[in-house]
Amino acid sequence: GAVVSQHPSRVICKSGTSVKIECRSLDFQATTMFWYRQFPKQSLMLMATSNEGSKATYEQGVEKDKFLINHASLTLSTLTVTSAHPEDSSFYICSAPYRSTEAFFGQGTRLTVV
Amino acid sequence: AQSVTQPDIHITVSEGASLELRCNYSYGATPYLFWYVQSPGQGLQLLLKYFSGDTLVQGIKGFEAEFKRSQSSFNLRKPSVHWSDAAEYFCAVGDNNAGNMLTFGGGTRLMVKP
Repeated sequence: GAVVSQHPSRVICKSGTSVKIECRSLDFQATTMFWYRQFPKQSLMLMATSNEGSKATYEQGVEKDKFLINHASLTLSTLTVTSAHPEDSSFYICSAPYRSTEAFFGQGTRLTVV
Repeated sequence: AQSVTQPDIHITVSEGASLELRCNYSYGATPYLFWYVQSPGQGLQLLLKYFSGDTLVQGIKGFEAEFKRSQSSFNLRKPSVHWSDAAEYFCAVGDNNAGNMLTFGGGTRLMVKP
């Protein structure tokens, strides 16, 4: 079946630094990818839609300058958390639509900012 | 806008007992519905999905779900729970007009007593 690979699975960074998270569709092309954020013991909230060849679409309340999204190719989207702070610590997960009816998720990235 | 409600935040069942996790949705058209399971610190695994046709859907790990349009529900069931089923379960509705962007319910944490 279709596979979406997300790296890294865990990252710890110092406050003020930037962290890049990659999301790759391994055996299919994705012109769109979705980035979700999950706070502890809560559900997944859509942050933004990544579009190949154009700007990402951000959900209301999501800072586009803090969460930089680049859809570099038909198989790769990246989320960069810039100038990270402890409140950015969270579980980030991407998904890529597959065919017309479903989406496959990456394994998720646990970000801890210290 | 679409929405998903999972009324039960926590459920505890004894191993071997039956299970039903509730999910209600709000969506303007025929929904694409999904159930995912998430083990602690892990990504999402698709259990089953409904697009059309037979309203009783069979999934992996012995799970099934029934789509009831009149009740706007898509409850997940399993006849006999195993200790390994302890996890967080998410119901989601997909917007097929938005590249399969998913809206998630709040999740239900399942605990299994020996």
